[in-house]
Amino acid sequence: SQTIHQWPATLVQPVGSPLSLECTVEGTSNPNLYWYRQAAGRGLQLLFYSVGIGQISSEVPQNLSASRPQDRQFILSSKKLLLSDSGFYLCAWVSYTEAFFGQGTRLTVV
Amino acid sequence: AQSVTQLDSQVPVFEEAPVELRCNYSSSVSVYLFWYVQYPNQGLQLLLKYLSGSTLVKGINGFEAEFNKSQTSFHLRKPSVHISDTAEYFCAVSGYSSASKIIFGSGTRLSIRP
Repeated sequence: SQTIHQWPATLVQPVGSPLSLECTVEGTSNPNLYWYRQAAGRGLQLLFYSVGIGQISSEVPQNLSASRPQDRQFILSSKKLLLSDSGFYLCAWVSYTEAFFGQGTRLTVV
Repeated sequence: AQSVTQLDSQVPVFEEAPVELRCNYSSSVSVYLFWYVQYPNQGLQLLLKYLSGSTLVKGINGFEAEFNKSQTSFHLRKPSVHISDTAEYFCAVSGYSSASKIIFGSGTRLSIRP
């Protein structure tokens, strides 16, 4: 079965510092991978999705970037964090009939 | 393109009472429909999904949903809720194509009062 590993679970970072969140997938090959963000009390905002190695689509212009260096690895990054980057970040493997989510990373920018 | 609307951002109910969480979708093509649950500080888990067949879909934890094509709705119901059902619930839709993305609604926070 599919398993999504996401780390770290929580992170507190100062404004202006870099960010790297990692997501790895087990149990499937060539998955479509997604990064979502949840701000407090709000729904899921799709940030990036990737259909293969090196292929990244951005849904919302922002301070973040994503990379897919390996088939089952998806990384969310920032060079300089803003206060508005705080939120709950979720990685997901998504097909048109199912979506599997990681446990999420709670990012607080201070 | 598809879209989904969850009409209620918050639904408070008493324990052991029935609950209905509303979801309406918009699409020019046939769709697949989903309900996901999110407990605090966790990822989303699939409750149930409608792909084809019977329009009444039963899921985990005693939840069920009914696909109504004429009303473009996929409301989630449970006849008797428990404190443990306190969570956020997301309705989602995708098209039949493998190129489709799953689109999520804005979520409904279900709070259970003892």
